[in-house]
Amino acid sequence: EDKVVQSPLSLVVHEGDTVTLNCSYEVTNFRSLLWYKQEKKAPTFLFMLTSSGIEKKSGRLSSILDKKELFSILNITATQTGDSAVYLCASSGTYKYIFGTGTRLKVLA
Amino acid sequence: ETGVTQTPRHLVMGMTNKKSLKCEQHLGHNAMYWYKQSAKKPLELMFVYNFKEQTENNSVPSRFSPECPNSSHLFLHLHTLQPEDSALYLCASSQDRRGEQFFGPGTRLTVL
Repeated sequence: EDKVVQSPLSLVVHEGDTVTLNCSYEVTNFRSLLWYKQEKKAPTFLFMLTSSGIEKKSGRLSSILDKKELFSILNITATQTGDSAVYLCASSGTYKYIFGTGTRLKVLA
Repeated sequence: ETGVTQTPRHLVMGMTNKKSLKCEQHLGHNAMYWYKQSAKKPLELMFVYNFKEQTENNSVPSRFSPECPNSSHLFLHLHTLQPEDSALYLCASSQDRRGEQFFGPGTRLTVL
C-alpha cells in the first residue's frame, strides 16, 4: 500500500535553532517528492524533488531526496517564529498524490 | 485575480441541506483536485479532473458529487452530509498531473 510517513509529528524549538524534518515514502511508480508549508490556510508549495542527491535551497530552507532509501529531509536553519507551521510531505506516483500527516513545528521567540 | 480561489470560505449546513463548494483557478492549469483535510489526518484526495474529465474518484461517498464544467472551474455538490464530513475542503490545481499543486484557501465545512 502506498504511504508517506513523516517524523517527528511535532517539534518545538527556539529561534535560531536548526531543524530537520523527515519524510519516508513508498509509492508505486514514484515520480516526485514535494514539500509544502501550511499555516492557518492552504498549503503553499516549497520544493519538488525528482533526482536523488541534489539539494534544493530557498533561503534558509533546503531539501534533499534519497531515492535508494526512499526518504527526504527538509532542513530549516536559523529558525524564526514565522517558520511555525505544519510541514507536509507528499509523494506523487502515476496519477496519485499521497500526503503524510505533517510535522507541526513551533518556533519560540 | 490570480491563483486558486474557493467560495465560500466557511459553511455551516444541516444534514438535510444541499450546498455547493466552488473553486476557480486563474493559472491556466489543466488538472484540478478536491481534497478533504480532517483534524490529525493526512490530506485525503477525493477527486481528480484532467482536461475536464474525471480521472480519479477515491471511493468517495455519493453524497459528494463533483462537477467540472471547464478547466478553470470545479464544484463540489453536497447533499445529506453527515457530521463526520465536517472538515476543511481544499481545491488545488496543477499544470498537468505530474506538476506541483497550488492550493486554494479551503472551505471550512461544519455539518450539524
